[in-house]
Amino acid sequence: GAVVSQHPSWVICKSGTSVKIECRSLDFQATTMFWYRQFPKQSLMLMATSNEGSKATYEQGVEKDKFLINHASLTLSTLTVTSAHPEDSSFYICSASQRAAQETQYFGPGTRLLVL
Amino acid sequence: EDQVTQSPEALRLQEGESSSLNCSYTVSGLRGLFWYRQDPGKGPEFLFTLYSAGEEKEKERLKATLTKKESFLHITAPKPEDSATYLCAIEGWRGGGNKLTFGTGTQLKVEL
Repeated sequence: GAVVSQHPSWVICKSGTSVKIECRSLDFQATTMFWYRQFPKQSLMLMATSNEGSKATYEQGVEKDKFLINHASLTLSTLTVTSAHPEDSSFYICSASQRAAQETQYFGPGTRLLVL
Repeated sequence: EDQVTQSPEALRLQEGESSSLNCSYTVSGLRGLFWYRQDPGKGPEFLFTLYSAGEEKEKERLKATLTKKESFLHITAPKPEDSATYLCAIEGWRGGGNKLTFGTGTQLKVEL
């Protein structure tokens, strides 16, 4: 149980284009989903938290107009990187939890984005 | 501000050589401490959640313990397949809505 999937697993795009990453909870309803970014040999940095049906809450320093998050249902959240640039190249990981505080977050396999 | 420090950064063990990984934390009220395993190029895999000092949890060769200032992940008789980066994360009362603060991890390599 508690399986989270991400699609795509790899994406290469040209600078200036937009990229959408999907995160799905396959066997549970996720009231809250999280988006993280991880650079090589560094830990996970939280970008934003989203609750189903409401606007995402972004961490300080994360541009909400650049990283658009939609949590339209209890099993799907999407992250769109708009007008991507090479510095946006990173490993993006989502997680999902069934309710709020103290609930375990289950992580997806990650999406590696390379912007040329 | 919540902080997590993991040590050592890297650890090399022989198969069967038991050891412990450390996770020190500072937080204004701990809601939970989480251990994850991460293999290269993959997302973290959940191992344990600890909620209060004195709590212990076990799974196969792994045992996690918690005090008011730190957590240990004990690995007994490790095998090469235990090689991975082990991440510690905390959820504090200040953050709200189960936001996690992660440490930088301990990269474990178990050799034959």
